[in-house]
Amino acid sequence: DSGVTQTPKHLITATGQRVTLRCSPRSGDLSVYWYQQSLDQGLQFLIQYYNGEERAKGNILERFSAQQFPDLHSELNLSSLELGDSALYFCASSFSTARNSPLHFGNGTRLTVT
Amino acid sequence: AQSVTQLDSQVPVFEEAPVELRCNYSSSVSVYLFWYVQYPNQGLQLLLKYLSGSTLVKGINGFEAEFNKSQTSFHLRKPSVHISDTAEYFCAVSAGETSGSRLTFGEGTQLTVNP
Repeated sequence: DSGVTQTPKHLITATGQRVTLRCSPRSGDLSVYWYQQSLDQGLQFLIQYYNGEERAKGNILERFSAQQFPDLHSELNLSSLELGDSALYFCASSFSTARNSPLHFGNGTRLTVT
Repeated sequence: AQSVTQLDSQVPVFEEAPVELRCNYSSSVSVYLFWYVQYPNQGLQLLLKYLSGSTLVKGINGFEAEFNKSQTSFHLRKPSVHISDTAEYFCAVSAGETSGSRLTFGEGTQLTVNP
């Protein structure tokens, strides 16, 4: 058990809809990351937060947004969903933003867009 | 920018045989390297990491990896695999101070251990 909690585990929704994925980081970790895993693109970094502030942005679409709250949990919002957004979305956390701070991953949320 | 190439998408082996999963990276700055394992329906779990020092790194579950700067490689090895090692393995890099702790992952190698 990594200590990172993601909810829900599975989400099935229709095109055009909006969903929110939630992540609680490991106790003591200040940084949260979101990754998307799909068959054709592999593991893609979306966005990183540190102590409530956006730290880095990767291949995140404009239809997607995220935030980290004062209690350090994070939410990833996906809107105007398309079939291609179907994927496994992982949250990870780390203590700091230092390069030697390992990432701890949750079990992911599997999103299916129909 | 950094990148990671995992040279084999699938590696089938028999139980108790040795295995090597190959990883090459591309970066013009110093790198930190990681191997993660993903079991079915689970998240990624850290196997081992190279930050500095000895180029041979030992991890959990009997795995080890060797950092080779001249060949820009970080291959993962295990001398004798078990059925329970069947999983997907990801090599990842953190390169340069600007990347911080975020990682760039390879495409993954599916290791299948057959009886």
